[in-house]
Amino acid sequence: EDQVTQSPEALRLQEGESSSLNCSYTVSGLRGLFWYRQDPGKGPEFLFTLYSAGEEKEKERLKATLTKKESFLHITAPKPEDSATYLCAVQAPYLNSNSGYALNFGKGTSLLVTP
Amino acid sequence: NAGVTQTPKFRILKIGQSMTLQCTQDMNHNYMYWYRQDPGMGLKLIYYSVGAGITDKGEVPNGYNVSRSTTEDFPLRLELAAPSQTSVYFCASSYSPFTNEKLFFGSGTQLSVL
Repeated sequence: EDQVTQSPEALRLQEGESSSLNCSYTVSGLRGLFWYRQDPGKGPEFLFTLYSAGEEKEKERLKATLTKKESFLHITAPKPEDSATYLCAVQAPYLNSNSGYALNFGKGTSLLVTP
Repeated sequence: NAGVTQTPKFRILKIGQSMTLQCTQDMNHNYMYWYRQDPGMGLKLIYYSVGAGITDKGEVPNGYNVSRSTTEDFPLRLELAAPSQTSVYFCASSYSPFTNEKLFFGSGTQLSVL
């Protein structure tokens, strides 16, 4: 069963055209919701961790928010260099709970910002 | 500071061949992970390790093996490669998963099994 669903799958924006990416989750007892950025041919790079509903975090043109059921990644006045795939993940118990928690990733939103 | 280093970056295997994907980290992290990423799919956990000598299965372990003889290295072994193992493989590390530490990822190995 999917614990993390991201939408849209792909998004094309003009430079300066603000928008939001959505991440809905169904895990109970959220221990942390993570946003990562992934450039083509590279591994994911950490952006934010959110822990509780109402929390917000910002980095340059990106702002992540969290509710009890979903998180949004708001992109304000994007630039072409913001083009990437954005991944959302939640912590879920390992099969062996003694070993902590693994990250359960969504499929990502592929963002293209054109000049 | 190199972080997480994976080799090779690309590899083509024939069905039935075996290979080892190498992963090393220089951050003295206890926890290391192997994920695979298929087109249009999320990252899936293959195996993880909580420290030298301790490994355990993730969500999709079939067809793979791992070992962890040192804190730095966490190789992933593919035995009898199959087309279903065509994917991009990422190694990652963290200090501890109990404290919501972020993962540090390598740059990936793109594997094709033909």
